[in-house]
Amino acid sequence: AQTVTQSQPEMSVQEAETVTLSCTYDTSESNYYLFWYKQPPSRQMILVIRQEAYKQQNATENRFSVNFQKAAKSFSLKISDSQLGDTAMYFCAFMSGWGAQKLVFGQGTRLTINP
Amino acid sequence: EAGVAQSPRYKIIEKRQSVAFWCNPISGHATLYWYQQILGQGPKLLIQFQNNGVVDDSQLPKDRFSAERLKGVDSTLKIQPAKLEDSAVYLCASSPLTQGNPEKLFFGSGTQLSVL
Repeated sequence: AQTVTQSQPEMSVQEAETVTLSCTYDTSESNYYLFWYKQPPSRQMILVIRQEAYKQQNATENRFSVNFQKAAKSFSLKISDSQLGDTAMYFCAFMSGWGAQKLVFGQGTRLTINP
Repeated sequence: EAGVAQSPRYKIIEKRQSVAFWCNPISGHATLYWYQQILGQGPKLLIQFQNNGVVDDSQLPKDRFSAERLKGVDSTLKIQPAKLEDSAVYLCASSPLTQGNPEKLFFGSGTQLSVL
């Protein structure tokens, strides 16, 4: 079974700084997808960024980018020019490229952006 | 486009009582998921439907939890009888059915259950 581990329960940075959230995963599959989701106090999960394992190029979405290290099974999220609205829980998630499409989540990192 | 609708938003019950949650997915989405999110943890899949058939319910505590998706649209998750450890947020998500490519999941705002 796949597992996802986020080793940073909480992080805090000043507005406009850059912050990196860590995630490692374990799988024996070669075809899979990785995601970062944001969960604000409203509880709704919001997709931040996604990465296909077969792509070597790291995904980017505006201020959000990932560092995908397939051999090390590492998938970190970098948030540049952090904003107060980035304050939320962040979850790393794994989805197999085969069979039923279901997300396996990590434990989450609580990110606080301070003014 | 309307999102995934869930109700109620909050529910407080006493242990051994029963409770039901409702989910209305995005129109046309064939796949529906129920996740349980205990405080301080990531969501855990309870059950996955494709249309009105069950794809995965391996982590559903079947002695007390049940779920149905009639006519392949709305879904109801029930707990009977509830235990203290069932206190959690119950998230519903839906996604379109696409062969070969995973589509992103669209989540509702969840139901927060407190069992006293």
